[in-house]
Amino acid sequence: GAVVSQHPSRVICKSGTSVKIECRSLDFQATTMFWYRQFPKQSLMLMATSNEGSKATYEQGVEKDKFLINHASLTLSTLTVTSAHPEDSSFYICSARPGLAGDEQYFGPGTRLTVT
Amino acid sequence: QKEVEQNSGPLSVPEGAIASLNCTYSDRGSQSFFWYRQYSGKSPELIMSIYSNGDKEDGRFTAQLNKASQYVSLLIRDSQPSDSATYLCAVNGNNQGGKLIFGQGTELSVKP
Repeated sequence: GAVVSQHPSRVICKSGTSVKIECRSLDFQATTMFWYRQFPKQSLMLMATSNEGSKATYEQGVEKDKFLINHASLTLSTLTVTSAHPEDSSFYICSARPGLAGDEQYFGPGTRLTVT
Repeated sequence: QKEVEQNSGPLSVPEGAIASLNCTYSDRGSQSFFWYRQYSGKSPELIMSIYSNGDKEDGRFTAQLNKASQYVSLLIRDSQPSDSATYLCAVNGNNQGGKLIFGQGTELSVKP
């Protein structure tokens, strides 16, 4: 149980274009999903908390107009990186919280974004 | 002071030994504590959760929690080379809306 998928696993895009990453909870409903970014040799950095049916809560320093988050259903959240630049190249990981008992978060496999 | 602190390592142990990973946290109101394993280039994988003081065992893994000392640890018995990874301690802070606060991770290397 508690499987989270992400799509795509890897994407290369040109500078100035937008990229959408999907995060799905496959065998549970997730009222809350989280988006993280991780640069090489660094720890996870929380970007935003996504709640189904409401606006995402962004961490300080994360541009909400650049990183658009939509949590349209209990099993799907999307992150769109708009007008991507090379410095946005990173490993983007989502997690989902079943929220029934305990506070465990289960991570998707991640999306490696390269902006050329 | 960082909210969640871990020794960055690397921690090197021989195969078959016990690996001991430590974590301290600053928010005394924290209620939930987790250990994740992250292989290089992969996403974190939940291996243990602990909510009450004391020990919790799952196979070769034992999590220990001491809320009075604000300390949580992970013991890996009979360490295997496949245990070589970065181990992340995560704490659900009080009134954080479910957010996890992660330590910087401890890199573990198990030598055959």
